[in-house]
Amino acid sequence: DAKTTQPPSMDCAEGRAANLPCNHSTISGNEYVYWYRQIHSQGPQYIIHGLKNNETNEMASLIITEDRKSSTLILPHATLRDTAVYYCIVRAGYTGTASKLTFGTGTRLQVTL
Amino acid sequence: GAGVSQSPRYKVAKRGQDVALRCDPISGHVSLFWYQQALGQGPEFLTYFQNEAQLDKSGLPSDRFFAERPEGSVSTLKIQRTQQEDSAVYLCASSSSGKDFYEQYFGPGTRLTVT
Repeated sequence: DAKTTQPPSMDCAEGRAANLPCNHSTISGNEYVYWYRQIHSQGPQYIIHGLKNNETNEMASLIITEDRKSSTLILPHATLRDTAVYYCIVRAGYTGTASKLTFGTGTRLQVTL
Repeated sequence: GAGVSQSPRYKVAKRGQDVALRCDPISGHVSLFWYQQALGQGPEFLTYFQNEAQLDKSGLPSDRFFAERPEGSVSTLKIQRTQQEDSAVYLCASSSSGKDFYEQYFGPGTRLTVT
């Protein structure tokens, strides 16, 4: 799986959009970009994933650059409950068997009043 | 519905003791993963089951670590002769082979402290 690079920490004011960047310059054609987050003392939680098109769900939006070498997770209206460590993970797509997730150290997002 | 559950939530063991950590995956989930998370680090893969078959155990750090899932549902991670470096949170995750295939659902973890 390709390696990812994320800033170690970010701050965001409550109600504002949080934009979390991720670099994955060695991503290959069959690899997806996944985002998980981990709130303190909980297990990681899936947020969103994408291959090359931008994706949106009820939690967030994922913007992937045209060359696929970087992406941005957008939380449109951050709340205090969004304070967590956010992990960007690159993983090969479905091959018929499940595959492990390779976590880095992630970005610690602190949402403040 | 019920999520992934793990027990115990906290375990303190003296160095040299054996421990067993339990994972109850979401009912019907075929795939089950164990991860180890050291303080301040992201989770690291330990092992993976598809039903009762252990298909990947490449992440187990030593032969003191053993995992099983005999009936394809509940799984147990056993650590023999615990060492201080085994202190970590042990996370279990499960996923289905259906439309949510890409998503792994994690339990709350078991925090193991070896003294």
